[in-house]
Amino acid sequence: DIQMTQSPSSLSASLGDTVTITCRTSQSINSYLNWYQQHPGKAPRLLIYAASSLQSGVPSRFSGSGSGTDFTLTINNLQAEDFATYYCQESHSTSFGQGTRLDIK
Amino acid sequence: QVQLQESGPGLVKPSETLSLSCTVSGGSLSSYYWSWIRQFPGKGLEWIGNVYETGSTMYNPSLKSRVTISVDTSKKQFSLSLSSVTAADTAVYFCAREPGGDHEYIGGSYRYVGAWFDPWGQGTLVTVSS
Repeated sequence: DIQMTQSPSSLSASLGDTVTITCRTSQSINSYLNWYQQHPGKAPRLLIYAASSLQSGVPSRFSGSGSGTDFTLTINNLQAEDFATYYCQESHSTSFGQGTRLDIK
Repeated sequence: QVQLQESGPGLVKPSETLSLSCTVSGGSLSSYYWSWIRQFPGKGLEWIGNVYETGSTMYNPSLKSRVTISVDTSKKQFSLSLSSVTAADTAVYFCAREPGGDHEYIGGSYRYVGAWFDPWGQGTLVTVSS
């Protein structure tokens, strides 16, 4: 099984800040890594697929990078609607990271 | 655009079978894999399994002995059956489309890899309790 380590588990930031969330896998998954955003009581929403491709309709302040075992989600110029929980998902054997809760400082 | 809607009982007794359906609107089931995913009260997400339009399925090995996923293309629905449930199966159950993948030969069999989940249904809470 592929083990996933997502960090940090929680993060506080201010409007306009830039934040970075990382996801590490226990073995190489090429670029098979996706990122989701989830607001309370809602379904997850796809942000980034295949490590760095921006899903249609997602603002360009979201970006993803990485390959192999180390991946990053970056959010520039934080907006109020960005405060949510973020999950990575590897699509080699299909498992999710533990989530990162992003809240307002 | 494609929308998904889960339906089924919100309360299931221990040892019984959990049964849910997902209805797809605004598009066809053709040429896609369709998945079930659950989210535990502590917020962790777990992929349960998927089904292709042909009825071909793949399951999470940890649940394989208890899971059946089927598809009815005429009704534009796919369904989840999870047997012998316990309190540990209490979760919000989501259905989702799984585009973008490809088949790779891994560990002696072909597997569907490289996909993502989009869109998702709104989710339905299933509680296992007597």
